[in-house]
Amino acid sequence: QKEVEQNSGPLSVPEGAIASLNCTYSDRGSQSFFWYRQYSGKSPELIMSIYSNGDKEDGRFTAQLNKASQYVSLLIRDSQPSDSATYLCAADPISGGYNKLIFGAGTRLAVHP
Amino acid sequence: DVKVTQSSRYLVKRTGEKVFLECVQDMDHENMFWYRQDPGLGLRLIYFSYDVKMKEKGDIPEGYSVSREKKERFSLILESASTNQTSMYLCASSLSTGNQPQHFGDGTRLSIL
Repeated sequence: QKEVEQNSGPLSVPEGAIASLNCTYSDRGSQSFFWYRQYSGKSPELIMSIYSNGDKEDGRFTAQLNKASQYVSLLIRDSQPSDSATYLCAADPISGGYNKLIFGAGTRLAVHP
Repeated sequence: DVKVTQSSRYLVKRTGEKVFLECVQDMDHENMFWYRQDPGLGLRLIYFSYDVKMKEKGDIPEGYSVSREKKERFSLILESASTNQTSMYLCASSLSTGNQPQHFGDGTRLSIL
């Protein structure tokens, strides 16, 4: 059973701090990874994609991938109350085809003023 | 920008009714997906389609069927609605080439009374 594991949280950080969200995956053949942000009552919104080992930065967001450790993380710098949401990690195992992503259950982030 | 449109944001139906949820995407994506999302259970895949008239069962297909007569449209059908099908339903689409994210519609919050 292919799985993506995330700590459910809540992860509570003060405004302006760095929030670190982590994710592990079981299928070593996974090639691409995605982070989605989901506000309460809304649908998931894609915020980052990462395909290669190392870091990928986009504004205040940095995604990190370590395929040897089967580990993906998302760093949010200068966290704002508007970043408070649930963050979903997803992996594409490729072997299943059709871009059928495996989603984690999500980590709830709370940024307090 | 990818646009995935779900026909209703909120829907209330009665037990035993046949319910249709519609999803349309405007980016010529080959793959389309239907999920339901319940508190504590994360995203669960109901059905997906990789081409017109082609469909595959996901993890929880019981009580549901789907239809894809045109590439841009993917319909989810609840044959005889039951109260345990009260949920948030999310449609997503993606390209069929590798390393592609899924893009979600706004969701339909369905209540079965």
